[in-house]
Amino acid sequence: SQTIHQWPATLVQPVGSPLSLECTVEGTSNPNLYWYRQAAGRGLQLLFYSVGIGQISSEVPQNLSASRPQDRQFILSSKKLLLSDSGFYLCAWGASAGDSGANVLTFGAGSRLTVL
Amino acid sequence: GNSVTQMEGPVTLSEEAFLTINCTYTATGYPSLFWYVQYPGEGLQLLLKATKADDKGSNKGFEATYRKETTSFHLEKGSVQVSDSAVYFCALENTGGFKTIFGAGTRLFVKA
Repeated sequence: SQTIHQWPATLVQPVGSPLSLECTVEGTSNPNLYWYRQAAGRGLQLLFYSVGIGQISSEVPQNLSASRPQDRQFILSSKKLLLSDSGFYLCAWGASAGDSGANVLTFGAGSRLTVL
Repeated sequence: GNSVTQMEGPVTLSEEAFLTINCTYTATGYPSLFWYVQYPGEGLQLLLKATKADDKGSNKGFEATYRKETTSFHLEKGSVQVSDSAVYFCALENTGGFKTIFGAGTRLFVKA
């Protein structure tokens, strides 16, 4: 069965420090991978998605970046964190559901980032 | 661009009450529509989906019908339980796939 792992679960970082959040998927190949941010009271915001190794689409211009060095690995990074980067970051992978072709997402448990 | 608008919460209901959470969307083409649920302390999980007009998605007593004429996908349940307390997200996947856009989420509290 497919599983998705995301770490660290919680992180407290000072402003200006770097960030690296990692996500790996098991049990599937060539998944579509996603990073979302869930800020308090603001719902879920799509940050990046990737349909293959080295292929990254950015949805929101900001000081975050994403990389996909391996088929089932997706990394969210920042060189210098801002206060506004605080939030709950969710990694997800997508797979087509049956004949419909709809891309059903499976989410990791999330990483809570607090920037002080 | 594509967008999803859902009713603001929180919604507070008594057990066995009828639930409706409104969701409308703006999209080009023929998107697929979803409801995801986030229980306290957990990540999001798919609740139900519909991929074409007039399709009805259903799961765990929840239902939603894809209404293209009103661009809506309202979530309903005839009798809620305390265990249904969670945040519910309406979402759409753009035509051609890959990108899923979420609404802001609606928090539901069900009291015994």
